[in-house]
Amino acid sequence: DQQVKQNSPSLSVQEGRISILNCDYTNSMFDYFLWYKKYPAEGPTFLISISSIKDKNEDGRFTVFLNKSAKHLSLHIVPSQPGDSAVYFCAVRSGNTPLVFGKGTRLSVIA
Amino acid sequence: DAGVIQSPRHEVTEMGQEVTLRCKPISGHNSLFWYRQTMMRGLELLIYFNNNVPIDDSGMPEDRFSAKMPNASFSTLKIQPSEPRDSAVYFCASSFFGNQPQHFGDGTRLSIL
Repeated sequence: DQQVKQNSPSLSVQEGRISILNCDYTNSMFDYFLWYKKYPAEGPTFLISISSIKDKNEDGRFTVFLNKSAKHLSLHIVPSQPGDSAVYFCAVRSGNTPLVFGKGTRLSVIA
Repeated sequence: DAGVIQSPRHEVTEMGQEVTLRCKPISGHNSLFWYRQTMMRGLELLIYFNNNVPIDDSGMPEDRFSAKMPNASFSTLKIQPSEPRDSAVYFCASSFFGNQPQHFGDGTRLSIL
């Protein structure tokens, strides 16, 4: 059974608007949450993370929100740019265990 | 700084052949991970090492798969014999032990005919 779910396989957004990518997890023991971005023919690259003691972390145009009671994680990108078009993976972990990844959401930012 | 280096980038071989994938982690990282990416299952962890020691290989699909890390700067993932269903992109990642992001290589795209 999937521990991490990204229910939207794809998302299209106009340039300049906000992109919101969502992720749900099942285990309340997870305490570290990350987003990775992947371009074709490249490996995933780390984008932003948040620990369970916080509910928001911001880095430039990227903000991650954590709702522990709902076991929900989201990534906001504002304003969206064409170069943001990629597959976005959320990943979670508990303690020092390896990351568990969602299946990804393909974001297309349309100029 | 050099990132995680994987070779080969592409491998096409016939069913039944032995396949060896190689990974050089980022210098100083002490954890190394092998993942497989498929459309159906996404990114799934196969095995990981801490300080060159295999910690969890429960993700290795079958005995045909084996992985080694003879030293801190090199790891291999071997499939013998290979089957068409092993076709996928295989990623290696490394990190510092603990609550640190993993850094991925660009993957090996494996096609078994």
